[in-house]
Amino acid sequence: DTAVSQTPKYLVTQMGNDKSIKCEQNLGHDTMYWYKQDSKKFLKIMFSYNNKELIINETVPNRFSPKSPDKAHLNLHINSLELGDSAVYFCASSPLAGDTGELFFGEGSRLTVL
Amino acid sequence: GQNIDQPTEMTATEGAIVQINCTYQTSGFNGLFWYQQHAGEAPTFLSYNVLDGLEEKGRFSSFLSRSKGYSYLLLKELQMKDSASYLCAALDSNYQLIWGAGTKLIIKP
Repeated sequence: DTAVSQTPKYLVTQMGNDKSIKCEQNLGHDTMYWYKQDSKKFLKIMFSYNNKELIINETVPNRFSPKSPDKAHLNLHINSLELGDSAVYFCASSPLAGDTGELFFGEGSRLTVL
Repeated sequence: GQNIDQPTEMTATEGAIVQINCTYQTSGFNGLFWYQQHAGEAPTFLSYNVLDGLEEKGRFSSFLSRSKGYSYLLLKELQMKDSASYLCAALDSNYQLIWGAGTKLIIKP
């Protein structure tokens, strides 16, 4: 019954490693997002996909690469992890293109880079 | 630049009323959202205002003044479970959400 689910919920890894976070939504929404929430609690949008196409790509390092195999999935792959990548990453979806409507968030994936 | 301002932290008493203010400066405006986020959990939608005035939804109400770039979230009959962060977010002309850092609300018995 989970609307937006992401895995893993917790991830602890060493600097320099490559990791992925997966996200799936069963709401039938067209748009999915990745947000980063740092220790200061600011939510920053990273990527937005509408029907598998990238529509927002904020200034994030190219070590971060989103992949959307279909409109129900949006995965985030991170290469060469750095200490500053430690944060909670939230996946979200909405029924409308772009940031126009209510967002439904996943539970978050807490990434700790040592 | 685009900016959202809201107080960092507020304290209130169980059963009381609290008003959390938010001011915004954005390139264009297509609405104002309030989200609630409990510690360690995902944000959940509370309200959306695009026209001036007060929208009431149970114990929570949200107000918007477009001319002043100002909104507030009003919580009545506070309960301990209302202890959370409250995030204000404005939708700019490109339909991008600009988020505030959130107001941490502490409810005391």
